[in-house]
Amino acid sequence: GAGVSQSPSNKVTEKGKDVELRCDPISGHTALYWYRQSLGQGLEFLIYFQGNSAPDKSGLPSDRFSAERTGGSVSTLTIQRTQQEDSAVYLCASSLGSGASDYGYTFGSGTRLTVV
Amino acid sequence: AQSVTQPDIHITVSEGASLELRCNYSYGATPYLFWYVQSPGQGLQLLLKYFSGDTLVQGIKGFEAEFKRSQSSFNLRKPSVHWSDAAEYFCAVAPSGYSTLTFGKGTMLLVSP
Repeated sequence: GAGVSQSPSNKVTEKGKDVELRCDPISGHTALYWYRQSLGQGLEFLIYFQGNSAPDKSGLPSDRFSAERTGGSVSTLTIQRTQQEDSAVYLCASSLGSGASDYGYTFGSGTRLTVV
Repeated sequence: AQSVTQPDIHITVSEGASLELRCNYSYGATPYLFWYVQSPGQGLQLLLKYFSGDTLVQGIKGFEAEFKRSQSSFNLRKPSVHWSDAAEYFCAVAPSGYSTLTFGKGTMLLVSP
């Protein structure tokens, strides 16, 4: 597609439920990133996928968070047993080639997650 | 590890006045530097980036930024602010050859009439 597409745009879930957030990157972009944006905290890196390489999971805050990328394209971020502190905007970005260093990222509009 | 500091959480500027948003980074070598803007309910849009060469870089929407190695700074400027510039601005850094950006906490720009 023309841009990075994220769905749903808003999600309200009950504490303890699992949620799945979807990201569809720009066609041909080999790198995909997930960030979390909490009020007043800026953007927190979560996970990075590059081609067929093992993902960089160093930013995932707990083992309740996981992500996968199928066929080098669409990615799903899963949060299990959601907690109120998981409430945030989850942003996905993609990049051409191996790096933000060369090209910068293109961001989606995000998924606003509210845990009640 | 690299870090980015944006000292100003909020800035209010009158429409037509000049703007400077501050960004300081912590990194041993010359990093790759970026400024992004986020309008309400939107994702982040790249304004400009610096990799090497001329330390004054031009971006979209009339913005520019200057890299100053001696001050570890990469401040964003605009000579005349428009009401549509009201948004949140993020500075980001990546070490050369590495992909993951580290972002500052952002500066919210308010534009008064």
